[in-house]
Amino acid sequence: QVQLVDSGGGVVQPGRSLRLSCAASGFTFSTYGMHWVRQAPGKGLEWVALIWFDGSFKYYADSVEGRFTISRDNSKNTLYLQMNSLRAEDTAVYYCARETTVRYFFDCWGQGTLVTVSS
Amino acid sequence: QSALTQPASVSGSPGQSITISCTGTSSDVGAYNYVSWYQQYPGKAPKLMIYDVSNRPSGVSNRFSGSKSGNTASLTISGLQAEDEADYYCSSYTSSSTRVFGGGTKLTVL
Repeated sequence: QVQLVDSGGGVVQPGRSLRLSCAASGFTFSTYGMHWVRQAPGKGLEWVALIWFDGSFKYYADSVEGRFTISRDNSKNTLYLQMNSLRAEDTAVYYCARETTVRYFFDCWGQGTLVTVSS
Repeated sequence: QSALTQPASVSGSPGQSITISCTGTSSDVGAYNYVSWYQQYPGKAPKLMIYDVSNRPSGVSNRFSGSKSGNTASLTISGLQAEDEADYYCSSYTSSSTRVFGGGTKLTVL
């Protein structure tokens, strides 16, 4: 069945880096756009980044632009989020989500991975 | 990239109908018919309930419906059931090719 599995979260000090992964299975990963969405503790959903099916275009929320990099390896069916210069306000559960090309909605979500930025 | 505006909470009794609003701008909700709605239970990932303003994915109850007028989209849940108690989020495509979520609405079934 269609499945997204998020991993890579943990506790990290402010200013340090962390890389999240999202392993996809059950569908043709290389034909879908992929997103990262985060949710701070007790808060709402915040869109973070998008990468096109072939990696040709990437978009970021203003809050992470220049610090986070979204990427994908279609040969490994895996999505990544490289997070640099982490701040306390980046503390959140990070979800990967699938979007059918030019359909503009998230039809499948990972289970989420918690990132805690704290000294 | 300001969040879409949703009421923080709504409530209703079993069997009643409720509506959750989602207000954006002419650069997101008002510009495209690409509003979607998500249901989220505590500690769980969101689930798609409505896409393209008013379409239901396979498997979603027909008690859930969506609409849009101008810069405001709405989610209506009819025949409220206890299992509908959850957080609900709207989302829209934007003119910058990004996505934006609403702040979320907590639905309480009395």
